[in-house]
Amino acid sequence: RKEVEQDPGPFNVPEGATVAFNCTYSNSASQSFFWYRQDCRKEPKLLMSVYSSGNEDGRFTAQLNRASQYISLLIRDSKLSDSATYLCVVNNSDYKLSFGAGTTVTVRA
Amino acid sequence: ETGVTQTPRHLVMGMTNKKSLKCEQHLGHNAMYWYKQSAKKPLELMFVYNFKEQTENNSVPSRFSPECPNSSHLFLHLHTLQPEDSALYLCASSQNRGQGGDTQYFGPGTRLTVL
Repeated sequence: RKEVEQDPGPFNVPEGATVAFNCTYSNSASQSFFWYRQDCRKEPKLLMSVYSSGNEDGRFTAQLNRASQYISLLIRDSKLSDSATYLCVVNNSDYKLSFGAGTTVTVRA
Repeated sequence: ETGVTQTPRHLVMGMTNKKSLKCEQHLGHNAMYWYKQSAKKPLELMFVYNFKEQTENNSVPSRFSPECPNSSHLFLHLHTLQPEDSALYLCASSQNRGQGGDTQYFGPGTRLTVL
């Protein structure tokens, strides 16, 4: 079983729509969770950390469900610039991050 | 953004060549990482250095040889690579190893093609 699994998508949505997707992780002892964003042929960049209580950053909302071992990302009022691959990242130990293969989102005009 | 830089950005090499990838971080971080990203696959951690000491070698073949002369610089020396080694090689840094939730900052990557 993969450490971190994501639906690869693509999720094709119109501008202004809401899109949401999940990521599951296998290690119940995982401590920290993140969403990174990776644009085509660019490096991953931290989008947001995911806290136990859930957190929001502008149009982005992240949730953590430890019981079911998944995290989610919701994007409201999608913009064309939101088109990217979103990487789910889990910290299983002091420094070792496990990455999902990414969920591709395409926002169309 | 120039927090983490990598050179070259693109590299094409034959299987008998020897080349090196360079990474430099300007963030004052103590930990540096090499990752491999192949198409449609998750990032694979290759090596971790903390305060210039290698703390992780994730079962990487010996044709990849890392070097960390100081906390700001990281090299990946390549020799006798295989075509399946073609990938995007990403360098990252973080403030410290051992901090839960420590954010890693990535360089732009070197896109390597092995012929």
